[in-house]
Amino acid sequence: AQSVTQLGSHVSVSEGALVLLRCNYSSSVPPYLFWYVQYPNQGLQLLLKYTTGATLVKGINGFEAEFKKSETSFHLTKPSAHMSDAAEYFCAVLGRGSTLGRLYFGRGTQLTVWP
Amino acid sequence: DVKVTQSSRYLVKRTGEKVFLECVQDMDHENMFWYRQDPGLGLRLIYFSYDVKMKEKGDIPEGYSVSREKKERFSLILESASTNQTSMYLCASSPLGGGPNEQFFGPGTRLTVL
Repeated sequence: AQSVTQLGSHVSVSEGALVLLRCNYSSSVPPYLFWYVQYPNQGLQLLLKYTTGATLVKGINGFEAEFKKSETSFHLTKPSAHMSDAAEYFCAVLGRGSTLGRLYFGRGTQLTVWP
Repeated sequence: DVKVTQSSRYLVKRTGEKVFLECVQDMDHENMFWYRQDPGLGLRLIYFSYDVKMKEKGDIPEGYSVSREKKERFSLILESASTNQTSMYLCASSPLGGGPNEQFFGPGTRLTVL
């Protein structure tokens, strides 16, 4: 079974500040991990994903995430927030070997960026 | 450019009406999914399908049914709409599993049931 917990349903930062969005997962098999972003009135768009190999994953728009197996975490970071980063962010897990491809999503974190 | 399209962006229906939400993907994906999204609850899976005419219940199937007659099209049906089905509905598709396959999402349909 898989599940995801996102700590903090709302995060607010100033423009130029570090963005840190937290994600912890639970999986009975080695996981694939994903971060999606949803801008207002749009569908979800993939930011980045962890498959195998390098545990630090770089995505679009300057975001990156680090897979830490010992902490069962996959936190999303960006060194310097921009106003355009304001959106909702979802972490998701897929069990490796899953043939049905079902993703398990966290409840999301709303990021607000102040000028 | 890969695409998942949904028939309506906004929809307003009355209680008791039968409602059809349509989703079409052009990526030849085997898997298709319907989610509803509500504030504070994230995405909840309603139904998914891994092949034509095949369907699996997700976490909240009550009050919904689905139809997949063609590979590219997956329909969500509200047999008798109720006000508690007012929500954002998102469709997604992905290739057959086994690998780190991401899901591709449509733009969503915001349904209001009066």
